[in-house]
Amino acid sequence: SAVISQKPSRDICQRGTSLTIQCQVDSQVTMMFWYRQQPGQSLTLIATANQGSEATYESGFVIDKFPISRPNLTFSTLTVSNMSPEDSSIYLCSVDRQGSTGGGYTFGSGTRLTVV
Amino acid sequence: GNSVTQMEGPVTLSEEAFLTINCTYTATGYPSLFWYVQYPGEGLQLLLKATKADDKGSNKGFEATYRKETTSFHLEKGSVQVSDSAVYFCALSDNTGGFKTIFGAGTRLFVKA
Repeated sequence: SAVISQKPSRDICQRGTSLTIQCQVDSQVTMMFWYRQQPGQSLTLIATANQGSEATYESGFVIDKFPISRPNLTFSTLTVSNMSPEDSSIYLCSVDRQGSTGGGYTFGSGTRLTVV
Repeated sequence: GNSVTQMEGPVTLSEEAFLTINCTYTATGYPSLFWYVQYPGEGLQLLLKATKADDKGSNKGFEATYRKETTSFHLEKGSVQVSDSAVYFCALSDNTGGFKTIFGAGTRLFVKA
């Protein structure tokens, strides 16, 4: 299965600034998924990133706040824009292990973001 | 829409006790079902999966059987260890949801020596 390198692993940011999170996969994948895990809670899907097209955002998430890039089949970035303390969360990228719904996900190690 | 409901935690057990974490789901299609585990300070790892009705997923002594008639995928282990202390997430994925995975709320397990 794929191996994902995600960085930064953690950051402390000032409110009003932006942070870009990067995920690099060691193999080509069609779809990458970005999740948010708020403290003590489950994972919520932010968006699905496909190479060569606009990301598909879930209800409650908008491109202006969470712009995503997917320049090729092995790389994606998520930017958290104009941050507020409510954005303090762990952000994770993931890919399907087998390129299908039955494979299950491999996750990056996560980015722990604290906004002060 | 699709959803996953799992039992609230925390669950506290003594070492070698039997573990059950309940999970039920709602899906419009024919989902694949998963259990993920998140150890303290670490990322999520796939623990086991089942892709069709009556399949049994197993790994590291954990098992779960895909029960279509009861829309359930309960996680079990016959004898837990302190090292099993973690948060466990039930999840589903199907192509009617655009290949997205939906996660349950997570159940925290504490195992005492």
